[in-house]
Amino acid sequence: AQKITQTQPGMFVQEKEAVTLDCTYDTSDPSYGLFWYKQPSSGEMIFLIYQGSYDQQNATEGRYSLNFQKARKSANLVISASQLGDSAMYFCAMREAVYGGATNKLIFGTGTLLAVQP
Amino acid sequence: GAGVSQSPSNKVTEKGKDVELRCDPISGHTALYWYRQRLGQGLEFLIYFQGNSAPDKSGLPSDRFSAERTGESVSTLTIQRTQQEDSAVYLCASSPRQELYPGNEQFFGPGTRLTVL
Repeated sequence: AQKITQTQPGMFVQEKEAVTLDCTYDTSDPSYGLFWYKQPSSGEMIFLIYQGSYDQQNATEGRYSLNFQKARKSANLVISASQLGDSAMYFCAMREAVYGGATNKLIFGTGTLLAVQP
Repeated sequence: GAGVSQSPSNKVTEKGKDVELRCDPISGHTALYWYRQRLGQGLEFLIYFQGNSAPDKSGLPSDRFSAERTGESVSTLTIQRTQQEDSAVYLCASSPRQELYPGNEQFFGPGTRLTVL
């Protein structure tokens, strides 16, 4: 069964340092996509980065990068040069069967609460 | 341009009452999703609409939950005979085109916080 696991309920990081948020997934489908969303205390869900299962290179978006290790089924988010505004809940999510018009629902992990300290 | 909007932003109701939650997707988005987020938890998929195709209702937790969508516009999520365990934030999301592109992100609304007393 498809599943996303985030084992870190909370993380602290000093401002300007890098931090890695862990995410492992389980799926039997060879075609899937992995997403990271940020949810500040205001509650909105903000898309950060996407990695496709067939992508050869790790995804990067500004200060965000995704450390994709397919054999280990992990998709960790790396935030470089942390800022106070990065304090938020971070969710890893997966979508299966990305080719072929399947439902495309997202399966979410339980999230990691990141606190950036000055 | 306007994002996904949801109304009401907050709803307090008594156990046993019916509630309707509304979602206005981004104009032109063909796909619409409903998710539920309980306090301190991740999002749980409820239902998915894609154009004129039959909706995917596989995430609805019971027959008290139903949703409709008119064409490619507004959607309403209805919860009948509400229970205290229905208390959660209900989030709506939409995406811009046919889901043939794997990186198609979902754009989320601000959510409706439902409290069942």
